[in-house]
Amino acid sequence: DARVTQTPRHKVTEMGQEVTMRCQPILGHNTVFWYRQTMMQGLELLAYFRNRAPLDDSGMPKDRFSAEMPDATLATLKIQPSEPRDSAVYFCASVGFPYNEQFFGPGTRLTVL
Amino acid sequence: SQKIEQNSEALNIQEGKTATLTCNYTNYSPAYLQWYRQDPGRGPVFLLLIRENEKEKRKERLKVTFDTTLKQSLFHITASQPADSATYLCGQNTGNQFYFGTGTSLTVIP
Repeated sequence: DARVTQTPRHKVTEMGQEVTMRCQPILGHNTVFWYRQTMMQGLELLAYFRNRAPLDDSGMPKDRFSAEMPDATLATLKIQPSEPRDSAVYFCASVGFPYNEQFFGPGTRLTVL
Repeated sequence: SQKIEQNSEALNIQEGKTATLTCNYTNYSPAYLQWYRQDPGRGPVFLLLIRENEKEKRKERLKVTFDTTLKQSLFHITASQPADSATYLCGQNTGNQFYFGTGTSLTVIP
């Protein structure tokens, strides 16, 4: 059955290193979200795209985070340089028009030492 | 800015009872509210959506209500089962923003 996939599932890196997370949305879905989840803050929206165009990235620290959708089957979230406070689980979700239900991927658990 | 509040205290109930979870929001009334279930180590899974002009929505043992006067949504699981144990998230869309609460952890005791 159709699923959102994310890679890698786990990433441990050192402070200052670049981290790239990838997401493959469900085929045919035209809206893609990036979220970050921590115990303290819960699920926070970082950015989202509709038809590959960025619609909102106000939740993302722009100095170190960037999100792109090079094609309809791939969304990327990059952190450069990474910091320990970036440690969290990052989720990608996709939605198919005209629905509102978000399909989440399994997440990437990022640990920055 | 918009804020969603869910009861951060864990909810423990006996099998067979009805679980009721609360979601309160501030400021703007959303066009719709969504409820998701999240199991440990997994992404949230969509359960129900209720629009602002709907008072109540049901799906099998699940029921959601939406009170725009109280700025509150209630999520009920009737005849609860141990398999219902999970964290339940409330989410809303306001304009171009999507907000989620921190979730309420539910444990159904056999």
